[in-house]
Amino acid sequence: KAGVTQTPRYLIKTRGQQVTLSCSPISGHRSVSWYQQTPGQGLQFLFEYFSETQRNKGNFPGRFSGRQFSNSRSEMNVSTLELGDSALYLCASSLSLAGGLQFFGPGTRLTVL
Amino acid sequence: SQQGEEDPQALSIQEGENATMNCSYKTSINNLQWYRQNSGRGLVHLILIRSNEREKHSGRLRVTLDTSKKSSSLLITASRAADTASYFCATDGGFAQKLVFGQGTRLTINP
Repeated sequence: KAGVTQTPRYLIKTRGQQVTLSCSPISGHRSVSWYQQTPGQGLQFLFEYFSETQRNKGNFPGRFSGRQFSNSRSEMNVSTLELGDSALYLCASSLSLAGGLQFFGPGTRLTVL
Repeated sequence: SQQGEEDPQALSIQEGENATMNCSYKTSINNLQWYRQNSGRGLVHLILIRSNEREKHSGRLRVTLDTSKKSSSLLITASRAADTASYFCATDGGFAQKLVFGQGTRLTINP
């Protein structure tokens, strides 16, 4: 099986712009979670989707949003970008909500100038 | 904010030696997981230990869990240069799929 894929791998944006990141989970996985990784805050949970519904959300402002499609692919969107949004954004997929193994993609490196 | 703390923050050892990393967490858990990350790339799952387990092995990895102390340790035996990476513990904090990560230990294996 192919692993979790994320596109694009690298992205450079300027303050005030918006960005959309994409994640394709492992085939058959229905749960997709997003994490932000920065040197200062480490790895932080953004949100999680299961069967096209957001099931859990971290402590991030409303500028961060996401969605999941019927094929389990997920997108996250960040509007009105700030310098502090520069980070590695990681997507993880798993079979279900029952807890357990999450499989991570390679991440999207977002740089905000 | 991070639930867990990892100790040490950085560890440098010679190839062939054993490496031990520790993780502490704050809330009750269903399971605790260890991940490896190479140089800002994605996370690779290493091992999962459930709250009712005390020790688990996988190849050169040994994980222990002490729920009374809310702590876990990861031991890598006979280290190799390829083990150079950052290692993170993650707990589910009782919430399915919402992993809470520690700050990680940066492990360097010197040839």
